[in-house]
Amino acid sequence: AQSVAQPEDQVNVAEGNPLTVKCTYSVSGNPYLFWYVQYPNRGLQFLLKYITGDNLVKGSYGFEAEFNKSQTSFHLKKPSALVSDSALYFCAVRDGWGGSQGNLIFGKGTKLSVKP
Amino acid sequence: NAGVTQTPKFQVLKTGQSMTLQCAQDMNHNSMYWYRQDPGMGLRLIYYSASEGTTDKGEVPNGYNVSRLNKREFSLRLESAAPSQTSVYFCASIRGGDIYEQYFGPGTRLTVT
Repeated sequence: AQSVAQPEDQVNVAEGNPLTVKCTYSVSGNPYLFWYVQYPNRGLQFLLKYITGDNLVKGSYGFEAEFNKSQTSFHLKKPSALVSDSALYFCAVRDGWGGSQGNLIFGKGTKLSVKP
Repeated sequence: NAGVTQTPKFQVLKTGQSMTLQCAQDMNHNSMYWYRQDPGMGLRLIYYSASEGTTDKGEVPNGYNVSRLNKREFSLRLESAAPSQTSVYFCASIRGGDIYEQYFGPGTRLTVT
């Protein structure tokens, strides 16, 4: 069965420093991986996805993610954090094929806190 | 283009009451989903509809029913609400196919007392 893990409940970063939010996955077959962000009292917003091709994927708001097949990881990164990046971040993996095509399995989320 | 809309935004129910959460999308998407979000548990899939006229159970379907009314609308019904159903509910849609991202609504915060 497909699964995704976010090992950190919370990540604290100073503004201007680089940030990394970790995600590891377990899939059978090719992994389709996604990152979403949730600001307080809002729905989830899509940031970026890895389907195939380059291991470094660029997304919205200056975020990028690095796909590493040997380590089964898909960590979210940003070179210079902003206070406005403070939010809840979810990693997700596509679940299965056929009838459940399109379904996502989400990690538990990582709260990012960026301090001035 | 409103995207995915959900009503109501907030609701308080007493145990045993029923209610329907409404979701609509104007992006002509084929598939729609209902999730619940609980602290520390991420999002869990309740039901989904891969296409108009079809619905299937997700990870946590007990206590819920759904209706895919047409291509735009996908409703979630709680027949007899329980305190364990206190949660934030999100509707999402996707164009179809497994390489596309899901689009989420703003959520409904439900409290069952």
